[in-house]
Parts: sequence; structure tokens; C-alpha cells
Amino acid sequence: DQQVKQNSPSLSVQEGRISILNCDYTNSMFDYFLWYKKYPAEGPTFLISISSIKDKNEDGRFTVFLNKSAKHLSLHIVPSQPGDSAVYFCAASANQGSQGNLIFGKGTKLSVKP
Amino acid sequence: NAGVTQTPKFRVLKTGQSMTLLCAQDMNHEYMYWYRQDPGMGLRLIHYSVGEGTTAKGEVPDGYNVSRLKKQNFLLGLESAAPSQTSVYFCASSYHVLNSPLHFGNGTRLTVT
Repeated sequence: DQQVKQNSPSLSVQEGRISILNCDYTNSMFDYFLWYKKYPAEGPTFLISISSIKDKNEDGRFTVFLNKSAKHLSLHIVPSQPGDSAVYFCAASANQGSQGNLIFGKGTKLSVKP
Repeated sequence: NAGVTQTPKFRVLKTGQSMTLLCAQDMNHEYMYWYRQDPGMGLRLIHYSVGEGTTAKGEVPDGYNVSRLKKQNFLLGLESAAPSQTSVYFCASSYHVLNSPLHFGNGTRLTVT
């Protein structure tokens, strides 16, 4: 039973446009959400996070939106750049991460075309 | 600043062989984790440690053992490798307990034939 779902395996976007990556979750106990970016042959790197007490968090070109009632979060990248091409993982944890582990989605491969 | 270092980067084992994957972090992090990533799958937690001398099971612990004898090191052992353990293994660490992002190593690609 997948608790964190990324239903789009891939996404292709033109450089300069907006990229929107989506993530759904089923566990209502999740209260901390993160996005990681992963390049081939490297480990995932932390991108941005959001606590359940907020509905939006912004960091430069990256914004994460959280809709708790829909159990849905999204990552917006504006403007998209070719260097953003990577696999993006959504992750969630319960109890503000106090259990010391995250549940990851399967990832969405973003391709940004020049 | 090396961050999280995993050794080896690649390894091929025969069924039934054993091996140990080493993870070292130089960030003085309390928490350390071992994840595996399979094609088309997200990262799944194998075991984790909340401090030196402690370990706990994650989502997929069977067939693996871990040890955290020193704060900076977290070892993942396969006592009798099986083809189902062919995967990419990622080690990670984090500083605080609450709302703390994980820092990952670059992975170990293991093939069991």
C-alpha cells in the first residue's frame, strides 16, 4: 500500500516555463513533507520542505504547496532550466520526523528542454 | 567537507556470499539510515539508527543487519546475499530529530548473481 504517490513517472517542459510536479499521500498522520532531487549516479539532494502548519513554502525558483484536505502537495519550478532535469522524489513523515524516517514516492523524471 | 561517503561504489556478489557496506559521515549527525532503491520504486528504508549503539528496523529489514559502533559510521551487512537484494543502496544522515532533511551518499550499486 503506497502511502506516498507520484502518479506521473515523467514530465517534459520547455525551458523558461513552469514545471509542476504532484504528489498525493494517504496517511493523515503525515505532518512534514520534503522534495528531493536526484541526478543519475548521485544520491538525492534536499530541495525544499513544508510543515503541515503551512500551505506554502518558497525558496527562490521553487515553491511547494500543501493542500491537507486533499492530501496533496505540489512542487512548482519557475522558470524551469535545463539543469533542473532530474528525478524528483516527494517524501513524507509523521510526528514531525521524530520517528527518524521518511516515506518516499516513486519519483517523477523531469526533462527541461532548451 | 565530504558529507556522507559510501564504500564500495559497486560490487558484484554471488548468491550466498556476504558483504558489508560502509557509510561514514563527517557532519556529526545523530541519525543515520540505509535505504534501497529499485527500478521504478521510491527509496525504501531498511534500517536506521538514532544514535551510537542503537539501531531500528525500517520498512524492508529482512536479510540485512546493521551496526552503529561509532557515531560517524553505519554499517549494512548482508549475511547471505540473494538476487532479490540486487539494488542501489543509499546511506543518509540527519542532524536533528524534528523536521531535519536527510543528507545522502552517492550510493552503492550491488548486483547479486
